[in-house]
Amino acid sequence: GENVEQHPSTLSVQEGDSAVIKCTYSDSASNYFPWYKQELGKRPQLIIDIRSNVGEKKDQRIAVTLNKTAKHFSLHITETQPEDSAVYFCAATGYSTLTFGKGTMLLVSP
Amino acid sequence: EAGVAQSPRYKIIEKRQSVAFWCNPISGHATLYWYQQILGQGPKLLIQFQNNGVVDDSQLPKDRFSAERLKGVDSTLKIQPAKLEDSAVYLCASSSQQGGLGGYTFGSGTRLTVV
Repeated sequence: GENVEQHPSTLSVQEGDSAVIKCTYSDSASNYFPWYKQELGKRPQLIIDIRSNVGEKKDQRIAVTLNKTAKHFSLHITETQPEDSAVYFCAATGYSTLTFGKGTMLLVSP
Repeated sequence: EAGVAQSPRYKIIEKRQSVAFWCNPISGHATLYWYQQILGQGPKLLIQFQNNGVVDDSQLPKDRFSAERLKGVDSTLKIQPAKLEDSAVYLCASSSQQGGLGGYTFGSGTRLTVV
């Protein structure tokens, strides 16, 4: 089955800096890669996703890039704000079910 | 649209007791998932339903966990008997497309503590 590795496990940045979270996947058949944000005690919420026919996707301050050859994808957050502090999960699927990474705790200091 | 509803929000039980969780997905979503999220880890799939049929239960500990979705809408997940290592948040999610394409909508989860 699919295996998703996510790094780093914790990321601390200053407000206004950029943050990058990286994930690798094992199943070359995977073709959909969403990112979820989970604030403390709350449900995971989809923030951005990318499909395998696209190399990059942007939505305001967040962007996701995908390298199918290397089987890795990354989340980029620019101009970070304190409200970006949360746990971020990457996931991958190839028409079965989503397999999640272990999460990255992002801490944005004012 | 209304979200995915789950109950209860919290549950504390002693080991070897039984417990049941309930989930009502978004109206019209044929696919329903139960995930287990242990503190500090990502969600791990327990079972996937498509309408009232099981698509994937390969990671469900069937000696103690069971789940059903009798009419293809609501679902219940049961643990009997519970172990200490079952302490986790149990998340229900639904999607309009099989395989999770387009993403899941998660419920708020049930936080289970086994003492």
